Amino acid sequence: KAGVTQTPRYLIKTRGQQVTLSCSPISGHRSVSWYQQTPGQGLQFLFEYFSETQRNKGNFPGRFSGRQFSNSRSEMNVSTLELGDSALYLCASSLVPAGVGETQYFGPGTRLLVL
Amino acid sequence: GDSVTQMEGPVTLSEEAFLTINCTYTATGYPSLFWYVQYPGEGLQLLLKATKADDKGSNKGFEATYRKETTSFHLEKGSVQVSDSAVYFCALSAGDSNYQLIWGAGTKLIIKP
Repeated sequence: KAGVTQTPRYLIKTRGQQVTLSCSPISGHRSVSWYQQTPGQGLQFLFEYFSETQRNKGNFPGRFSGRQFSNSRSEMNVSTLELGDSALYLCASSLVPAGVGETQYFGPGTRLLVL
Repeated sequence: GDSVTQMEGPVTLSEEAFLTINCTYTATGYPSLFWYVQYPGEGLQLLLKATKADDKGSNKGFEATYRKETTSFHLEKGSVQVSDSAVYFCALSAGDSNYQLIWGAGTKLIIKP
């Protein structure tokens, strides 16, 4: 069974631009979560989608948004990029929404560099 | 709020040494506890988990026991290999954070041959 895939793997953008990252979950998984990983802040939860609905959102500004399609694929968008948005963006999928002991499976991440 | 504290790294060991990476947590209720590993240039992989007190998670020679009395979930391995070099993350999920993963800062492990 194929794992979680993320595209693109690497991106370079300049300040003020916007970017869209894509995530395809493991087949049959309906929940997708996004995380930001930076050396300074570590891993931080962005949002979770289940059945095309945002279920949870972390403490990030409105410039960060996402959506999920009927095939469970998800995209996240960051508008008006700032230097501090440079990070590894990780997508994780699970069968059902995050719950007691539910395991999330991670993709390899998209590394975004904002210049 | 819920939080996870891990020992700071890097931790440098020789091959076949015994490994302990400390993890303690703060949470109300009964969180689930996880160890994830991140190899260079890769995403995160679940290493092991435990969902209730006194549970022991184990995988690939690694073990961790959910200790509610000490709010700990320390990772151990009896004999490490060079291939175990990676960053290890302790995490919890609990109802009061909508079961989203709350992460420790990560501990970089370096194994020298």
